Amino acid sequence: ETGVTQTPRHLVMGMTNKKSLKCEQHLGHNAMYWYKQSAKKPLELMFVYNFKEQTENNSVPSRFSPECPNSSHLFLHLHTLQPEDSALYLCASSQVPGTLSVYGYTFGSGTRLTVV
Amino acid sequence: EDKVVQSPLSLVVHEGDTVTLNCSYEVTNFRSLLWYKQEKKAPTFLFMLTSSGIEKKSGRLSSILDKKELFSILNITATQTGDSAIYLCARNQAGTALIFGKGTTLSVSS
Repeated sequence: ETGVTQTPRHLVMGMTNKKSLKCEQHLGHNAMYWYKQSAKKPLELMFVYNFKEQTENNSVPSRFSPECPNSSHLFLHLHTLQPEDSALYLCASSQVPGTLSVYGYTFGSGTRLTVV
Repeated sequence: EDKVVQSPLSLVVHEGDTVTLNCSYEVTNFRSLLWYKQEKKAPTFLFMLTSSGIEKKSGRLSSILDKKELFSILNITATQTGDSAIYLCARNQAGTALIFGKGTTLSVSS
């Protein structure tokens, strides 16, 4: 375990469903991130939260809605998704927003999302 | 245009071979370059490079940064099947989160 836990591991949802992805870190980090990983594409940054405040939204469609109630928890709420949104969604955390410790980011194992 | 470019995108080698993976990046507000290994799901940290010309080493893996030519290489000597993975390169720049390349998929056959 990396110290960053994502649930569920796998999710299959219809285009009209609403679901949420959860990320929890027990590392005392202050910054949390959502990345999307699709086949043959780089990891795409979606959202950044520093000390619970959203500091980056990388032109993500509004059908993805993040929530960060505290520095340890991060959610990604999903609604009316498209099949092209099927991907691995990775959560990461880091110790200090804007700079990195010697260990960089710590990633969770991801949620494999399939939209049907 | 990609900000972090990795090559090759995929590579197949035999056990015992030595491989070199490449990563080039844009210079804007550069702070450091990172390498990660992704086997199944979670990318795991390998190296962070901030200074040019200083090699970082961990077992059979080593990496070096060239800030003049804007690239880094990751070397793996005496490859093993357990080295099969996607190797990700990421750039850390001021004011934003890590920007990743597409990764190099390495397959090591026995």
